[in-house]
Amino acid sequence: KAGVTQTPRYLIKTRGQQVTLSCSPISGHRSVSWYQQTPGQGLQFLFEYFSETQRNKGNFPGRFSGRQFSNSRSEMNVSTLELGDSALYLCASSREGFEKLFFGSGTQLSVL
Amino acid sequence: TQLLEQSPQFLSIQEGENLTVYCNSSSVFSSLQWYRQEPGEGPVLLVTVVTGGEVKKLKRLTFQFGDARKDSSLHITAAQPGDTGLYLCAGVIGGYQKVTFGTGTKLQVIP
Repeated sequence: KAGVTQTPRYLIKTRGQQVTLSCSPISGHRSVSWYQQTPGQGLQFLFEYFSETQRNKGNFPGRFSGRQFSNSRSEMNVSTLELGDSALYLCASSREGFEKLFFGSGTQLSVL
Repeated sequence: TQLLEQSPQFLSIQEGENLTVYCNSSSVFSSLQWYRQEPGEGPVLLVTVVTGGEVKKLKRLTFQFGDARKDSSLHITAAQPGDTGLYLCAGVIGGYQKVTFGTGTKLQVIP
């Protein structure tokens, strides 16, 4: 059974640009959630999608957005990048919610 | 904002030693999970505890959920270099309503 796949693995962007990250969940999983991980703030919840609907959202500005497609694949978008957005972005999938999360290897975003 | 405080933040021990990591909160959780994350990878789920006072064992790892479901501990017996990594606890409310990750404990086991 294939795991959670995140692309790209690494990204380098400059301030003001926007970026789109992709996440393919495990087959049969309908919930996809996104997290930002930094050395200073740890792992923080961004948002969760279930059957194409955003069910939960963390405390991040509106520059962070996401969506989920009918095949459960998900994308997250960050607009007007800031230096502080440099982080490891992780997505996780599960059957229903947060009860058993399977994480991808993440996308390391560097904003210069 | 709910916080899950983990202690200690860093731990460097010799192979064969025992250790305990703590995860504390003022909030009550439906369940609590423990993950281990290695450099360059995403966290991997180790265990989920659901009932207050529950104890689960995974080989040399023992997990306990506090009676009030506000805290948890992870005890490792005879640590091995393969136990090295970042340990994260995560509190869940309502199954899919909310998840909060702990501040993390970075463990290094020296051969």
